[in-house]
Amino acid sequence: GAVVSQHPSRVICKSGTSVKIECRSLDFQATTMFWYRQFPKQSLMLMATSNEGSKATYEQGVEKDKFLINHASLTLSTLTVTSAHPEDSSFYICSAMSGALYEQYFGPGTRLTVT
Amino acid sequence: TQLLEQSPQFLSIQEGENLTVYCNSSSVFSSLQWYRQEPGEGPVLLVTVVTGGEVKKLKRLTFQFGDARKDSSLHITAAQPGDTGLYLCAGTDAGKSTFGDGTTLTVKP
Repeated sequence: GAVVSQHPSRVICKSGTSVKIECRSLDFQATTMFWYRQFPKQSLMLMATSNEGSKATYEQGVEKDKFLINHASLTLSTLTVTSAHPEDSSFYICSAMSGALYEQYFGPGTRLTVT
Repeated sequence: TQLLEQSPQFLSIQEGENLTVYCNSSSVFSSLQWYRQEPGEGPVLLVTVVTGGEVKKLKRLTFQFGDARKDSSLHITAAQPGDTGLYLCAGTDAGKSTFGDGTTLTVKP
């Protein structure tokens, strides 16, 4: 149980275009999902907390107009990187929170490369 | 702001050796999770500890939660190359998790 999928796993896009990444909890409902960014050999950097049916909460320094988050259902959250630039190239990981212990279950990640 | 310090940051050992990774904070957590992440993949939950002083074992991995629920350790016995990866601890309180900086473990055959 507690499986989270992410799509796509890899995406290459041109500078100035937008990219949407989907995060789905496959066998449980998640009122809260998280979006992280990770640089090579570093820990996870929390970008935003996505709450079903309400606006996402962004961490300091994360541009909400650039990283659009939508959590329209209890099993799906999406992250859209708008007007992507090469510096947005990174590994993006989502997680869904489950259970009374607030454990996070992670998706497999999306490697974004902006050319 | 809750901070979670993980040490060591990098660890390279030979197969068969033992090792311990530490996760320390000045804050009290209601629970603490340990994750393992392989390159190009998402972190995988290994264990959750909840009670102060709790010890959990997962094959060759032993996890301990400090009595005051502010720190934790992960001990690996007879490490194998398959243990190679990034180990992350996360302290959770009131539904919010704080992640440590991670320990990159390399086990050489």
